[in-house]
Amino acid sequence: QKEVEQNSGPLSVPEGAIASLNCTYSDRGSQSFFWYRQYSGKSPELIMSIYSNGDKEDGRFTAQLNKASQYVSLLIRDSQPSDSATYLCAVGGGGADGLTFGKGTHLIIQP
Amino acid sequence: NAGVTQTPKFRILKIGQSMTLQCAQDMNHNYMYWYRQDPGMGLKLIYYSVGAGITDKGEVPNGYNVSRSTTEDFPLRLELAAPSQTSVYFCASSYAGSNQPQHFGDGTRLSIL
Repeated sequence: QKEVEQNSGPLSVPEGAIASLNCTYSDRGSQSFFWYRQYSGKSPELIMSIYSNGDKEDGRFTAQLNKASQYVSLLIRDSQPSDSATYLCAVGGGGADGLTFGKGTHLIIQP
Repeated sequence: NAGVTQTPKFRILKIGQSMTLQCAQDMNHNYMYWYRQDPGMGLKLIYYSVGAGITDKGEVPNGYNVSRSTTEDFPLRLELAAPSQTSVYFCASSYAGSNQPQHFGDGTRLSIL
């Protein structure tokens, strides 16, 4: 049984600060890693994808992957109130089947 | 540019009724997926398809059926609805399996009473 673990939160961060979201996964054969943002009552929206060890930056977002530790993280710089949402970590095994999702971390950016 | 379209957006069913949740994508993606999301939980895979005529079970397939007669459409059938099937259902598609990002529809919120 593949598992993806996230701290459910809520994680409260002041506006303008860095928000750090973490995720661990159980399957060492995992090949693809995604962060989705989900606003209340809405569908998941892709924020970042990462496939190899190290950092990947896109605007205010940085995804970090450490396959040896089976650990993925998402950093959000200069956090804005509009970043308040649930962030889902998703892991893919490289096959045809779907992604394995964590339960999500509820992030609150305090103005 | 519609992406993934799901209908209906909301539905209330009585126990024992049946219904079909519709999903269509216009991105020519071969891979399509059905997930359910219960409150405070992540998404659980119900069924997936790698192309027309090919479907397979995911983690929680009991009580559901699917078909894939065309590349564009991937309907999910609920037979004999039960309260445990109350959930939000998301359809997604991707270009090439789980190594590619999945694009989600807006979801169908289903209540079984």
